[in-house]
Amino acid sequence: EAQVTQNPRYLITVTGKKLTVTCSQNMNHEYMSWYRQDPGLGLRQIYYSMNVEVTDKGDVPEGYKVSRKEKRNFPLILESPSPNQTSLYFCASSLVGGVNTEAFFGQGTRLTVV
Amino acid sequence: AQKITQTQPGMFVQEKEAVTLDCTYDTSDPSYGLFWYKQPSSGEMIFLIYQGSYDQQNATEGRYSLNFQKARKSANLVISASQLGDSAMYFCAMREGLGTGGFKTIFGAGTRLFVKA
Repeated sequence: EAQVTQNPRYLITVTGKKLTVTCSQNMNHEYMSWYRQDPGLGLRQIYYSMNVEVTDKGDVPEGYKVSRKEKRNFPLILESPSPNQTSLYFCASSLVGGVNTEAFFGQGTRLTVV
Repeated sequence: AQKITQTQPGMFVQEKEAVTLDCTYDTSDPSYGLFWYKQPSSGEMIFLIYQGSYDQQNATEGRYSLNFQKARKSANLVISASQLGDSAMYFCAMREGLGTGGFKTIFGAGTRLFVKA
């Protein structure tokens, strides 16, 4: 089954404690992306990756890091989480090669930083 | 700068009636794609429909159709014969393409649709 898998689904952590949210897709998609969803703001893109070792900032990259060492994986790293990073996070993947590429989303990770 | 605007924070519709969810966008890229996603209360994002900037005809997918008015930069979603299961948050999104060399995607703030029995 084609899917994007995020882990964990729920996470409560304390300010400053490094964490990683994993994202893996099994569709051989080149393009992967991370978003955060906050009430009234919709989804905002954090980082995206066009292919292995190619990443670029989205609209809200501050406080986040990503890496793309393998095509299937695109982890999101919070080196020193702060309460303003409490949010619902989505990973998505799609093919590259045109704008008409539907994005497949993971199930979401609800992060709370206290 | 690219931008997506959904002006309706919430909408009510009677079951079996049609409803239109508004979306306007702003971009200087001639090549772009417009998407609509549904997010039910369970939280997952479900792709509904796509419209390309060069498509001559409005996109349709079952009960969903996209009213694309390029000159007005609008891409409204029309849901026909609403069902109770259509109650959800709906997001309009845009991805710019070849013109920018990247694939940045932006989303609107969303419209919450309530279908009444």
